[in-house]
Order: sequence, then structure tokens, then C-alpha cells
Amino acid sequence: NAGVTQTPKFRILKIGQSMTLQCTQDMNHNYMYWYRQDPGMGLKLIYYSVGAGITDKGEVPNGYNVSRSTTEDFPLRLELAAPSQTSVYFCASSYLLTGGGPLSNTEAFFGQGTRLTVV
Amino acid sequence: AQKITQTQPGMFVQEKEAVTLDCTYDTSDPSYGLFWYKQPSSGEMIFLIYQGSYDQQNATEGRYSLNFQKARKSANLVISASQLGDSAMYFCAMREKTTDSWGKFQFGAGTQVVVTP
Repeated sequence: NAGVTQTPKFRILKIGQSMTLQCTQDMNHNYMYWYRQDPGMGLKLIYYSVGAGITDKGEVPNGYNVSRSTTEDFPLRLELAAPSQTSVYFCASSYLLTGGGPLSNTEAFFGQGTRLTVV
Repeated sequence: AQKITQTQPGMFVQEKEAVTLDCTYDTSDPSYGLFWYKQPSSGEMIFLIYQGSYDQQNATEGRYSLNFQKARKSANLVISASQLGDSAMYFCAMREKTTDSWGKFQFGAGTQVVVTP
């Protein structure tokens, strides 16, 4: 299994440009997440999804948009890129029984990350 | 409010020694899970160990063990017999089952560990 695949790995954007970060998982996980990690810092949640057609904001959603049309794909859209969006972006997925159940075996699986620089 | 607190920004440890990484958490939900991840300099996030709030015993996975003190809301990671390859950033994370936080992982700021020969 490929797990969680992110593309591209690196990207340089000019201020005001737009781009889409792609994320695909092949584990049939219902939950998917986008995090950003600024240098030397922890992960901040941008958006997450609990299943196809359902998305919600995390801590730092401004300047981003997401969609979840299928279980496998969860693209992140940056509109009007700004220098403050220079960061490493991680996509992750996990499984959780929506009606309850234990949290064991529900760890998040991460993609390799996308290093984005806005100049 | 910060849900996960890792108070040690960085630590040095000698090879073959044990090291304890602190993690405290804040939740009013009786059902939650605690996770530790390792992020080496290459950048990927590697899952290490899980502890459930109802688990009676501390979790162990090879050289990793979790010192879970529920009343104190702490979940410290212990790495025994440190190796040079353990040099990395380590993150503590929590997953709650409250309505507002359902399914979300919340991460601490991380602790940078450097293992010296």
C-alpha cells in the first residue's frame, strides 16, 4: 500500500498566485487532515474531513480551501498566496468509528509533506 | 487554550542512556487517546506509541514506553537505551471524543532530542 501520498514535494509560489496541494490515501480512512508546520514549531490544523462531502475548519483555515469529493482524495487549495503561508504542509488520514469505539489503532498516517515557499 | 503541553524544547542524551520526554494534556472528556510521533530531520512523521484513557497498563513498544499518570494528566514518553538514530523531534498528540473535538488530533510544540556518542 502507498499510504498517504502528497504532491508536489516542493513548490515556490509568487505572492498572489494560487495552487492546489494534492493528497490521496488508499487505506479507506474516513478522516483526513491538513496541517501546516512552521520552522521549529508543532503542527497546526488547517482543515479536516470526516468523510466524503464533509469538511470543517481547524485552527488556521484563513487563506485555504478544501474539498472532499471522494474517500481517497483531499486537496488543499491556496488562493492568493502570501509569504505567511510559507510552511511545510502535511496531509494525514486516520480511521475512527463515527458511532464510538476505542481509539486504539486510530493513529494518523502522514504524507511526506510539501515544502512551500511564497516569495 | 493549549491542550497539549511539552515543556522541554530540547534535550541532549548520551547514547545507551534512557530519556524521558514530558507531555501534559488538558481535557474534560473521559474518553481520549494519547499518541507520540517522531519526526527525524528528513521530515516524515512516524507513529511510535498509543495510550488510551481507559487502558489499565502503560503502553510499551520496543524501546518506547509511556508513563501514563491519568490523575496528573501526563503521558511522558520514555526511550530506553538511546541510539544515534533517535535524534529527532518528538511530538505528543491527543485525540478526544468530545463534540467539538471529535476525531481531531491536537499536537504539542515538540521536543528536540539530540543523542550524542
